[in-house]
Amino acid sequence: DAGVIQSPRHEVTEMGQEVTLRCKPISGHNSLFWYRQTMMRGLELLIYFNNNVPIDDSGMPEDRFSAKMPNASFSTLKIQPSEPRDSAVYFCASSLAEFAYTDTQYFGPGTRLTVL
Amino acid sequence: AQSVTQLGSHVSVSEGALVLLRCNYSSSVPPYLFWYVQYPNQGLQLLLKYTTGATLVKGINGFEAEFKKSETSFHLTKPSAHMSDAAEYFCAVSDPRNQGGKLIFGQGTELSVKP
Repeated sequence: DAGVIQSPRHEVTEMGQEVTLRCKPISGHNSLFWYRQTMMRGLELLIYFNNNVPIDDSGMPEDRFSAKMPNASFSTLKIQPSEPRDSAVYFCASSLAEFAYTDTQYFGPGTRLTVL
Repeated sequence: AQSVTQLGSHVSVSEGALVLLRCNYSSSVPPYLFWYVQYPNQGLQLLLKYTTGATLVKGINGFEAEFKKSETSFHLTKPSAHMSDAAEYFCAVSDPRNQGGKLIFGQGTELSVKP
């Protein structure tokens, strides 16, 4: 299996622009997670999907952030409008189990976002 | 609320020396505990986890960790460091009865291995 695939790997944009990050989980995995990693705040869970349904979005910073999972093999994280403080590495992870927090999460390589 | 404290943001050891990365957690009940490793420009990879049962857990690449309830600790060790162990290591805690069981990560410890 190719593992979790994220695109793009790097994104540089200007403040106010819309940014869309993409993730393809491992085939057969039921759970998908979006994380954000910054020096100041470390690794934070943004949102968790199970069977394509958002289960926990309490980590989504504000209305500028939205995430979708239209099918089992694709998810997007959108920021509109983007701000410099959104600069971070965004990771997607997937997991096989339904109650996925304690199951092994497989991380993608991340998208490094820079908002100027 | 749960929290995880990793003592030392940076640890440096010589090749062949013992690796000890410290992790303490706060939780009202025994949680599930994890160590993940992140190599440069890559995502995180599970090293090992403790859920129930034996408190000494063995993971990949020769790493192991021991859950000590009395000390609320889950320190990561490896008897002999290898150059390829240089990476950032994250301790994480999960309690399904609190915060829905989401993983709470520590701030990470960067391990350097000197030749």
